[in-house]
Amino acid sequence: DAGVIQSPRHEVTEMGQEVTLRCKPISGHDYLFWYRQTMMRGLELLIYFNNNVPIDDSGMPEDRFSAKMPNASFSTLKIQPSEPRDSAVYFCASSLIRGGNYGYTFGSGTRLTVV
Amino acid sequence: GQSLEQPSEVTAVEGAIVQMNCTYQTSGFYGLSWYQQHDGGAPTFLSYNALDGLEETGRFSSFLSRSDSYGYLLLQELQMKDSASYFCAVQTGANNLFFGTGTRLTVIP
Repeated sequence: DAGVIQSPRHEVTEMGQEVTLRCKPISGHDYLFWYRQTMMRGLELLIYFNNNVPIDDSGMPEDRFSAKMPNASFSTLKIQPSEPRDSAVYFCASSLIRGGNYGYTFGSGTRLTVV
Repeated sequence: GQSLEQPSEVTAVEGAIVQMNCTYQTSGFYGLSWYQQHDGGAPTFLSYNALDGLEETGRFSSFLSRSDSYGYLLLQELQMKDSASYFCAVQTGANNLFFGTGTRLTVIP
């Protein structure tokens, strides 16, 4: 298995532009998570899906952020408009079942820089 | 709410043993996980404890005391490649995993 695949690896954009981050989870994993990592705040859960349905989006910082999962093999995280404070590494992760004992598999992340 | 506390940095000698602690306060608790993250890399799952006691996987062991809201990760026979950040994470319910701020381990020759 190729693991969780994220694209792009790096994204530099200007403030005010729309940014779309993409994720392909591991086939058969029912849960998909979007995390954001910064030095100040560490790893924060933004939103997660179960069987393509958003379950908890309470971590989404504001209305500028939106996430979709149109099918079991693809999810997007969109920021519109982007701001410099959105600069971070965004990770997508997937897991097989509910529960921590199997762990989450993280993608390589997208390093977003908003200038 | 929830909070997790981890020492920010630890330095240890190659071949030695190191223990990294984690204390937590949560409104719900299902288990404690540990993840390793190398600079520029993704977090990778190491271990999970749902019950009190020690879980061993090769050179890595993880311990949990639910009554003390405390756990630790023990690394034996340290190698240079173990230099990384180590995060504890509490599963608070549903499928929410709440991460600590991590301990940066530096292994020196």
